[in-house]
Amino acid sequence: QSVLTQPPSVSGAPGQRVTISCTGSSSNIGADYHVHWYQQLPGTAPKLLIYGDTNRPSGVPDRFSGSKSGTSASLAITGLQAEDEAYYFCQSYDNSLSATWVFGGGTKLTVL
Amino acid sequence: QVQLQESGPGLVKPSETLSLTCTVSGASISSYYWSWIRQPPGKGLEWIANIYDNGSTKHNPSVKSRVTISADTSKNQFSLKLSSVTAADTAVYYCARVSVDSSGWYGAFYFDHWGQGTLVTVSS
Repeated sequence: QSVLTQPPSVSGAPGQRVTISCTGSSSNIGADYHVHWYQQLPGTAPKLLIYGDTNRPSGVPDRFSGSKSGTSASLAITGLQAEDEAYYFCQSYDNSLSATWVFGGGTKLTVL
Repeated sequence: QVQLQESGPGLVKPSETLSLTCTVSGASISSYYWSWIRQPPGKGLEWIANIYDNGSTKHNPSVKSRVTISADTSKNQFSLKLSSVTAADTAVYYCARVSVDSSGWYGAFYFDHWGQGTLVTVSS
């Protein structure tokens, strides 16, 4: 079981808006540790999509946005495109006994 | 342009030691922090260990007693050794660069550049 909980799958039609949630606890997201998001296309390495809760690296379209509130964070994708079909992972830091950098279990986005 | 490339055996026998090297180009390993992250087939990502610019390290407690991470600045490489492997260690292993804002706060660490990954299978 992942420390950060994501829905296994979400879907949307081209042009629509979808959101992916990442639920944590008081030892990670709720402790105000930053949340970051990665996109993993089939057979490739994860690629940084959002860092520091809301920031996009250079080259990432502004269709992708991040937000955080309380013990949860969300990734929103607007104007859905076929090439957005991928796995998405959230990541943060956890200050429990394990004290590690942790990932969500991943969410498969299907573009219908 | 920062690039990372993992290398090492794709097959390791149970109870033996897994050894991987990450060769970095486009950035000096002495100037950044670096990580190993793994992904079992069909599963999520697991952070394994970090090595910092001063040579200090931090490991995931789940593998801490078995893992060694080290750096060779002359070759601009860093390495992972995982001892006493079992089938549960079968995964794609990624090396990655750690990034952080100007605060240097560990709670803001993220991974901005990744290698392509290498599949390591533990099997006799």
